[in-house]
Amino acid sequence: AAGVIQSPRHLIKEKRETATLKCYPIPRHDTVYWYQQGPGQDPQFLISFYEKMQSDKGSIPDRFSAQQFSDYHSELNMSSLELGDSALYFCASSQGNEQFFGPGTRLTVL
Amino acid sequence: QKEVEQNSGPLSVPEGAIASLNCTYSDRVSQSFFWYRQYSGKSPELIMSIYSNGDKEDGRFTAQLNKASQYVSLLIRDSQPSDSATYLCAVKDSGGYNKLIFGAGTRLAVHP
Repeated sequence: AAGVIQSPRHLIKEKRETATLKCYPIPRHDTVYWYQQGPGQDPQFLISFYEKMQSDKGSIPDRFSAQQFSDYHSELNMSSLELGDSALYFCASSQGNEQFFGPGTRLTVL
Repeated sequence: QKEVEQNSGPLSVPEGAIASLNCTYSDRVSQSFFWYRQYSGKSPELIMSIYSNGDKEDGRFTAQLNKASQYVSLLIRDSQPSDSATYLCAVKDSGGYNKLIFGAGTRLAVHP
């Protein structure tokens, strides 16, 4: 079965640089979610999109923005990166109640 | 602040035993509950979802929900070393558009 695809899988950036993370949801899933998981922590909700419209917003810094495109893929844009942004970033998609997670992007900010 | 609480463990059980993982949540209105398994450095994998009071069984896994006590549990029968992972309890936020609130996770170690 098709799963959520995320790219890149690993990303290394310097402080103050920008990063773009991409997510391709499971086909026919109408909702995309972004979560951030720091080392030893649980996933924290950042933002979600339903049918290409922002549906909910969590603890997402103002330096971050996201959107969902007409083909349903989503991108998380991160600017002015800080050391504390180093984390795993997961995208999940759903059609109904259950959310299925992608493999994640490991972002390291040096 | 809505919360989901789990014992961080580690919970150590011998191979073949039953592992019991527990979770409490603060939002009385929540209706949807999930258990995810996460291996180190990997993504959360959905194991069970439960929406009604009582038990729900799927293979070696049984989820139990008690909304009056705001309590969810996961039983793993015939535990295997491959079950060693962190188990995340997640609750769908009743006030948000389907976002999940996660507990900190319980680390399970199954030893041969």
